[in-house]
Amino acid sequence: AQSVTQPDIHITVSEGASLELRCNYSYGATPYLFWYVQSPGQGLQLLLKYFSGDTLVQGIKGFEAEFKRSQSSFNLRKPSVHWSDAAEYFCAVGIMEYGNKLVFGAGTILRVKS
Amino acid sequence: KAGVTQTPRYLIKTRGQQVTLSCSPISGHRSVSWYQQTPGQGLQFLFEYFSETQRNKGNFPGRFSGRQFSNSRSEMNVSTLELGDSALYLCASSLKGTGWNTEAFFGQGTRLTVV
Repeated sequence: AQSVTQPDIHITVSEGASLELRCNYSYGATPYLFWYVQSPGQGLQLLLKYFSGDTLVQGIKGFEAEFKRSQSSFNLRKPSVHWSDAAEYFCAVGIMEYGNKLVFGAGTILRVKS
Repeated sequence: KAGVTQTPRYLIKTRGQQVTLSCSPISGHRSVSWYQQTPGQGLQFLFEYFSETQRNKGNFPGRFSGRQFSNSRSEMNVSTLELGDSALYLCASSLKGTGWNTEAFFGQGTRLTVV
């Protein structure tokens, strides 16, 4: 079955430090991959997406992610975290077969300390 | 252009009642999907509508239903509410569907509390 694993429930980083959020997926076909961010009580905002081509994708707010097919991973990175990045981050895989839908990971809550 | 609009933002209902939530997608988008978000189960797919037809349905009981109108606006209905239905309900708008290689844009959600 299709699944997405985000192994870190919480991550705390200092402002200005680098960030990497991990995401592993299980899906038999070529995946469409996404990272979303959610602030408390709000909807989901798309940070970046991978459909095909270059495996390093750039997104908004200075985020980037690298698709590694051999590791079934799509980790999110940012070189320097800002206090406003504190939020919950969700990795998702787009599934066309068996229910044209997004399957989400459990999310990683990012805390930024000053 | 205007984003995805969900109404109402907050709802409080009593067990056994029914509720209807509304979603207006981005202009030109024909696919509307619904997701339920709870602390315990995370984000789960409810169903997807495309051009007024339900294309896909998640693993939810029949109390959860929806429809889509000719202007692509969508409603979801939950009948005989249970305490476990308390959740943030998110609507996603996209050109072809959230599983495709197109972006899905989410609304701010409707927070439903069942008491």
